[in-house]
Amino acid sequence: EAGVAQSPRYKIIEKRQSVAFWCNPISGHATLYWYQQILGQGPKLLIQFQNNGVVDDSQLPKDRFSAERLKGVDSTLKIQPAKLEDSAVYLCASSLEGIIRAFFGQGTRLTVV
Amino acid sequence: GENVEQHPSTLSVQEGDSAVIKCTYSDSASNYFPWYKQELGKRPQLIIDIRSNVGEKKDQRIAVTLNKTAKHFSLHITETQPEDSAVYFCAASMQGGSEKLVFGKGMKLTVNP
Repeated sequence: EAGVAQSPRYKIIEKRQSVAFWCNPISGHATLYWYQQILGQGPKLLIQFQNNGVVDDSQLPKDRFSAERLKGVDSTLKIQPAKLEDSAVYLCASSLEGIIRAFFGQGTRLTVV
Repeated sequence: GENVEQHPSTLSVQEGDSAVIKCTYSDSASNYFPWYKQELGKRPQLIIDIRSNVGEKKDQRIAVTLNKTAKHFSLHITETQPEDSAVYFCAASMQGGSEKLVFGKGMKLTVNP
C-alpha cells in the first residue's frame, strides 16, 4: 500500500515570500491533517479535513496560512507571507476516518531566511 | 486546556535493558492514545495504540498501559536494541468542537550497544 506522499521534501525561502506544500493521502482515507513540527517539539495540528470539508482549523494562523482539499483527495497548504518562525517541518497525515490510526508523510522541511 | 505532558525528555539505556516513557493528559474525555516513533529525518510511525476501554496492550517487545483515573499512560520497551533509538511521541485524543490528537513534546531514546 502506498503511503502518504508529500512534496517538496525541502524548501528554502526568504521571509515575506510565499510557499506551497502538496499532500497526497493514502487511497481511500477520508481524513487528512496538516501538522507543523518545530525542531524539538511534537507535531501541532494546523488543520483537519474530512473529505473536502474543514473539521478543525482553530490553530491555523489564518492571516498567513491557507489550506484546501478540493475533490476530497489531494491537499495543498500555503503560507503567504512567510515569517522566520514558520521554519519547521510540515507533516501531512491521513486516516480512514477520524483520528484513529493516522499515518504520516515524510514531511516538507521549510527554512525561512 | 488541552495538554499532553511527556517525560523524561531524554533516556539512555544499554542494549537489552527496558525503557519506560510516561505521559499524562488533561482531558478526562480522552479515549484514544497512540504512540509514534520518529527516527532522525524520517516520518513519525505509529507503533502501538490503545483505547480507553482497555488497560494494557502488547505487541512483541512493546506494551502500553493506561490509567484513566490518574490520566496517565506509558510505553514500555523490553530487550531494547540499537534500532529502537529514536524520538517517541505520545498523543491523546482531545475534544473541543471536533476530536483531534494532541502530541507530547517527545522523548529521545538512545540505546547503547
